Parts: sequence; C-alpha cells; structure tokens
Amino acid sequence: KNEVEQSPQNLTAQEGEFITINCSYSVGISALHWLQQHPGGGIVSLFMLSSGKKKHGRLIATINIQEKHSSLHITASHPRDSAVYICAARYYGGSQGNLIFGKGTKLSVKP
Amino acid sequence: GAVVSQHPSWVICKSGTSVKIECRSLDFQATTMFWYRQFPKQSLMLMATSNEGSKATYEQGVEKDKFLINHASLTLSTLTVTSAHPEDSSFYICSATRVEQYFGPGTRLTVT
Repeated sequence: KNEVEQSPQNLTAQEGEFITINCSYSVGISALHWLQQHPGGGIVSLFMLSSGKKKHGRLIATINIQEKHSSLHITASHPRDSAVYICAARYYGGSQGNLIFGKGTKLSVKP
Repeated sequence: GAVVSQHPSWVICKSGTSVKIECRSLDFQATTMFWYRQFPKQSLMLMATSNEGSKATYEQGVEKDKFLINHASLTLSTLTVTSAHPEDSSFYICSATRVEQYFGPGTRLTVT
C-alpha cells in the first residue's frame, strides 16, 4: 500500500530556531510535494521535487530517492511560519492529481 | 505565481439543498483540475479529476450523482453537492495544473 508518513505530528519552536520536518514514503514516486496549510484552511504549494534540493527564501526541501525520504527545513523560523505542513507523493501510475497525502505536521513558532 | 481561486470560501446550507462551488485558474488555462475533500484533522483525499470538455473521472467510493463536476472552460470547474446532508460537511479544495500543481484556498461547507 502506498503511504506517506510524516514526523513529527506536532512541533513547537522558538522564533529563530531551525526547523526540520520529515517525510518518508514507499517505493516508486514520480514527484513529492510540500504544502503549507494555514489555520483558515487555505493551501499553498511550497515545493515539488523529484530529486536533489530546492530552496526558496528561508525554506529548503530535500529528497533522497535511495532512502525514500524527504525533509523540509525552515531557517530562522518566525511566528508567521506557524501552519500545518503536508507532504504528498505522486506514485508512478497515478494521475497528476492523485497524490497520497501525509497527515501533516502542525508547527507553532513562539515569539 | 499561478493563482487558483475558489468561491465561496465558506457556505452554510440546509440539509436537502444543493451547493455549487467554483474553482477558477486566474492567470493560466488548466485543462485538468482536481477536487479534494478534507475532513477535520484528516488528510486530503482526491475526489475526482475534472477535464475540460469531458466527463469527470471519479475516485472509487465517490458518488458521481451526488458530487456533480462540470469543467465548462479552461479556467473554470464547478463542484455541485446535490441534496446535501450533514455528513457532506467538509473542506473542499480544488487544484489546477500548469507544469506544477496549484491549490485553491478551499471552501468550507457546513450542512445543518
């Protein structure tokens, strides 16, 4: 069964701390997404990656195909980073929209 | 970046009525849009794939007669929840694809 596991489920950090959220998946993915869901529910797509590493501002996403593992890092965290972070995998053979979503990591950054 | 909008952002309706949710790609044409559903504290689940000019493809377990999807143009897909019941209360999210996948802000439906 294709699954996506995230850890931790909940994470509390102090402003300025370096944050890491982990995601592991089963074999054979064609792409992995990192999404941010704000308290109101709206979803923002942060990254889509199939190999290597991507960086956007204070956010960095990496993926290790051999280890079947991806990480999302937030440098110099800020209270506005507080949100639920979701990883989602597209397995080979699935349509582009048929993503398997993790349950999310709820991040709270305290000032 | 590409923007996807949804309307309304939240709606409350009475049991038995129908509700239409719109999903628009604002600055690009999307031949394919996707509809997801999210129950409280749960992951998103794909409901259906909406293709412009053709019938939607529904995931197993999703009632096509209850969740009517129309993809009338390259920038608009609609989801109509027919004869809504309290168990249909959920957060409905659409996404559209242009190279990457862009998500709408979601619509919170509450059926009383």
